[in-house]
Amino acid sequence: ETGVTQTPRHLVMGMTNKKSLKCEQHLGHNAMYWYKQSAKKPLELMFVYNFKEQTENNSVPSRFSPECPNSSHLFLHLHTLQPEDSALYLCASSQGGRGAYNEQFFGPGTRLTVL
Amino acid sequence: AQKVTQAQTEISVVEKEDVTLDCVYETRDTTYYLFWYKQPPSGELVFLIRRNSFDEQNEISGRYSWNFQKSTSSFNFTITASQVVDSAVYFCALSERGKLTGGGNKLTFGTGTQLKVEL
Repeated sequence: ETGVTQTPRHLVMGMTNKKSLKCEQHLGHNAMYWYKQSAKKPLELMFVYNFKEQTENNSVPSRFSPECPNSSHLFLHLHTLQPEDSALYLCASSQGGRGAYNEQFFGPGTRLTVL
Repeated sequence: AQKVTQAQTEISVVEKEDVTLDCVYETRDTTYYLFWYKQPPSGELVFLIRRNSFDEQNEISGRYSWNFQKSTSSFNFTITASQVVDSAVYFCALSERGKLTGGGNKLTFGTGTQLKVEL
């Protein structure tokens, strides 16, 4: 199993749907991240979890709800999204701890389209 | 606030040419790390290098080399004898110490440089 996996790879949903993105890391890391990548914009950090505890919520709208049941799995629950939420959602993991600088390893992303 | 600037939006070269991707950063911290990532069309960001603020030695890895200059706040990336497989978007990123008190690592990314290598 490769380092960081994400499912689904592509998702099309209506504004009233509820869906979830899943991320799993097989690297033994303890920190996990969600990023949003929109066209022509820098990667935007959304959430950070370290040892299952959320350490960062970068002012993300409540229609995005993360869940981290353990250090290997991370979910992003989606509901009542807007068309501007269409983007590539990337998951990453790293060895974390306070003040850590370790490189993050990324999954292939979920390409989300909101109609 | 920290910031990473990649002024080159897109670069096109012919195979076997050398190409340099520029990265300029801003930070008030004295301890920080710089990273380069490659994003091929498949979408996954691939880690290339990490460099800490106290190590200004240039680094070479095969056809890749990196030039870190604190005096100009730059961390440039050169690909020698480029190949079609090098076509991708390349991101420079900055991490500062202690930004996440609960743990983890907060990276600030540049907007990326799209590199196209043609035959």
